Amino acid sequence: AQKVTQAQTEISVVEKEDVTLDCVYETRDTTYYLFWYKQPPSGELVFLIRRNSFDEQNEISGRYSWNFQKSTSSFNFTITASQVVDSAVYFCALKGRDNYGQNFVFGPGTRLSVLP
Amino acid sequence: DAGITQSPRHKVTETGTPVTLRCHQTENHRYMYWYRQDPGHGLRLIHYSYGVKDTDKGEVSDGYSVSRSKTEDFLLTLESATSSQTSVYFCAISVGQGASGELFFGEGSRLTVL
Repeated sequence: AQKVTQAQTEISVVEKEDVTLDCVYETRDTTYYLFWYKQPPSGELVFLIRRNSFDEQNEISGRYSWNFQKSTSSFNFTITASQVVDSAVYFCALKGRDNYGQNFVFGPGTRLSVLP
Repeated sequence: DAGITQSPRHKVTETGTPVTLRCHQTENHRYMYWYRQDPGHGLRLIHYSYGVKDTDKGEVSDGYSVSRSKTEDFLLTLESATSSQTSVYFCAISVGQGASGELFFGEGSRLTVL
């Protein structure tokens, strides 16, 4: 069975601080995909990044960076110099082998509050 | 913008009444999904579709049915709504690499069953 754990339920930081959101996953598949989504207070779900299991290269996009480590089954997300607009619930997700995309498991989410 | 719209966006109904939520996409994607979001549970898959008239159950399908009579529309029906079905419902499509692509979501439909 697949599982995604986001141990941090809620995090509060002050603007301009760096913050890391943890994601640990479990899967028996050798090929899988990892994702991060953002859900701001307005409620929509916004896709942030997709990472394939065979590509362990870390990625940086502006203030966002992702650290994928297969050895520890982790896919952590760091926001550098956080801003109030980063306040949202962040979901990590895992997709394993399947035929129709039905094997897509979400973590419970981490609520990030960035205070001015 | 992945061209997904959900309707209605908000609905209040009474226990025992039927409810249908509609998901409409404009980009001819093959794979469509219905999720529900509840506090503490994240997002859970209700039903999915891999083509016209091709649907299957997800993790929490009891009490729900779906239909997909044309590519662009995926309907979720609660035959007899219960209070436990009060939730926010999201429709999604898989984009990029078929079923291995990332999911793009509609705006969500908030359903309250009294």
